[in-house]
Amino acid sequence: RKEVEQDPGPFNVPEGATVAFNCTYSNSASQSFFWYRQDCRKEPKLLMSVYSSGNEDGRFTAQLNRASQYISLLIRDSKLSDSATYLCVVNSNDMRFGAGTRLTVKP
Amino acid sequence: NAGVTQTPKFQVLKTGQSMTLQCAQDMNHEYMSWYRQDPGMGLRLIHYSVGAGITDQGEVPNGYNVSRSTTEDFPLRLLSAAPSQTSVYFCASSYSKGVGGAGTEAFFGQGTRLTVV
Repeated sequence: RKEVEQDPGPFNVPEGATVAFNCTYSNSASQSFFWYRQDCRKEPKLLMSVYSSGNEDGRFTAQLNRASQYISLLIRDSKLSDSATYLCVVNSNDMRFGAGTRLTVKP
Repeated sequence: NAGVTQTPKFQVLKTGQSMTLQCAQDMNHEYMSWYRQDPGMGLRLIHYSVGAGITDQGEVPNGYNVSRSTTEDFPLRLLSAAPSQTSVYFCASSYSKGVGGAGTEAFFGQGTRLTVV
């Protein structure tokens, strides 16, 4: 079993839609959590950290459920520019990446 | 501020050849790491370093060596290239390796696309 698992998608949504991505992790000792964004043939870049109480950054909301070892990312009012692969990242002793969920937002 | 610089961007090797992928950062970060990214596998950690003179193995270290003689540089050496090492390689650095959000944001280089034939 992979340490960090994500639905690979792809998710194809129209502009303005709300889309949610899920991620599960297996190491209960994990202590910090992130979502990274990766554009096609580019390097990953930090989108947002995920805090226990949940956190929001504009149209993006991240949630963490430690009991279920589950992380989510919600994108509201999707824009064309949100098209990318979203990587779930879990840090225990080192950073472990999920395989990514691909999102395409269409006009 | 260049951030993390990787060279080369593209490379084709023949089976059995050796080469070094270069990585340099100018942010005075202590923690540096190398990942490989394969379709459907996500990024997998090859080796990492928590500071000059200190390196350790990640998930998939076999066939690779690293060294960290300075804070800035963290080269990755392929000892005898194999087709299974065809991948995209990313170098990353962060202020710390510590748990917790602060200081652990990883900054990535632009990647090296390696093909072994």
